[in-house]
Parts: sequence; structure tokens; C-alpha cells
Amino acid sequence: GAVVSQHPSWVICKSGTSVKIECRSLDFQATTMFWYRQFPKQSLMLMATSNEGSKATYEQGVEKDKFLINHASLTLSTLTVTSAHPEDSSFYICSAMHRGSPLHFGNGTRLTVT
Amino acid sequence: GEDVEQSLFLSVREGDSSVINCTYTDSSSTYLYWYKQEPGAGLQLLTYIFSNMDMKQDQRLTVLLNKKDKHLSLRIADTQTGDSAIYFCAVSNNAGNMLTFGGGTRLMVKP
Repeated sequence: GAVVSQHPSWVICKSGTSVKIECRSLDFQATTMFWYRQFPKQSLMLMATSNEGSKATYEQGVEKDKFLINHASLTLSTLTVTSAHPEDSSFYICSAMHRGSPLHFGNGTRLTVT
Repeated sequence: GEDVEQSLFLSVREGDSSVINCTYTDSSSTYLYWYKQEPGAGLQLLTYIFSNMDMKQDQRLTVLLNKKDKHLSLRIADTQTGDSAIYFCAVSNNAGNMLTFGGGTRLMVKP
């Protein structure tokens, strides 16, 4: 069964609004969670790395003020897309790992900004 | 940084074996993964191999690792139409906490 739960699986929002995506590890404590973005027919692009209790580390070119990441507990990380615009429409995927375990992915969230 | 390469496309007939190849550049990688992605879905972990292993078999899946050539392959025996998907190779860093993905190989299985 799924070990990483991502919610919602899809969301449509209006331009200028904010959207929060949740990523939960279901049966393990995730020391690290990762957020990826995937454009159609492309591979995953790492956006940021999130460690519990500390600030996220963003990849070059990813706006930290636009993509707010909070890793408040060992089982939950959230990604908030602030003031969303149509170019933010994409497939967002989280993953979680515990030390020594393989990386598991959520089922992704398809965001459409109208 | 790490560079992971895969061929873009593979087409096989149902019942044949599929072999998807991946090359990488960082010899200190500790975990090497294969993920499957179906249309509109997230990534499903298929299998993974530690860098100190040469081969791992799990039912219809066989992973081969050639560390000298930095080459990883995934063989799917008796390929079925349900195996049609995109397959991503991913390679970790030495600490095992960061992944670099290949571009994905789209597998098409013809009946």
C-alpha cells in the first residue's frame, strides 16, 4: 500500500489565489521530504529539500517566497503555491525518506491555474 | 553534479523481454532505483539496488548494475500491455539522501 500520501490529487484555482499541498508519510517518520515539479512529458525537477524542524533548501531558480514549504512534523510537509499564475500549472510530487530507506513518492498533485 | 541518461523510447511486443538502460556519472552513488510512472499518476517504486550489488531479481524484474561502466539496466520478462508506462532511473548521492533522475524511458508494449 501507499506509504506516502499526497493531497489533493488535483486542484483548480484562480489566478492570484494560493494553494496548499500536503505530503504525509503514513507508516514511518520522514527525516527528509522532497518536492518535485514535473512538466508534461518531462522528468522530475527537484524544487526543494525539506528537513523536519528546519528551513527548506531550495534549488537554484526556485522562488522560496512563491513556493512556501513547511515541514512541521516528521510525518507532514506542506507546499503552498502563493499567488498562483497559469505558468505555475504543473504536476507536483512529493517524496519522503527515512534514513537508510528507499525514497517513496506520493501520487502527485495536478495543479491547474485558470 | 550527477548526470543520469536514459533512452527516450522503447517498443516491444507482448510476451517479449524489455531492457531499459541507464548510465550515470557519479561512482559514489549508493542507491540506484527504478520507478514506474503511468499517465497522470505519481511514481511507483519498482525496485532498487545497493551499489555493492551486481544483480537483483524480483519476480519479472531483474536489475543489473555494472559499476565499472556506471551502467544500470532493468529487464522486464514476459512484458505485458500493463507494463506500458514511463520508467525512470534514479541515482542517489553518497549519503543516500538526494536523487538525480534520468529523463525517463517510455515503454510501449504492442499486443
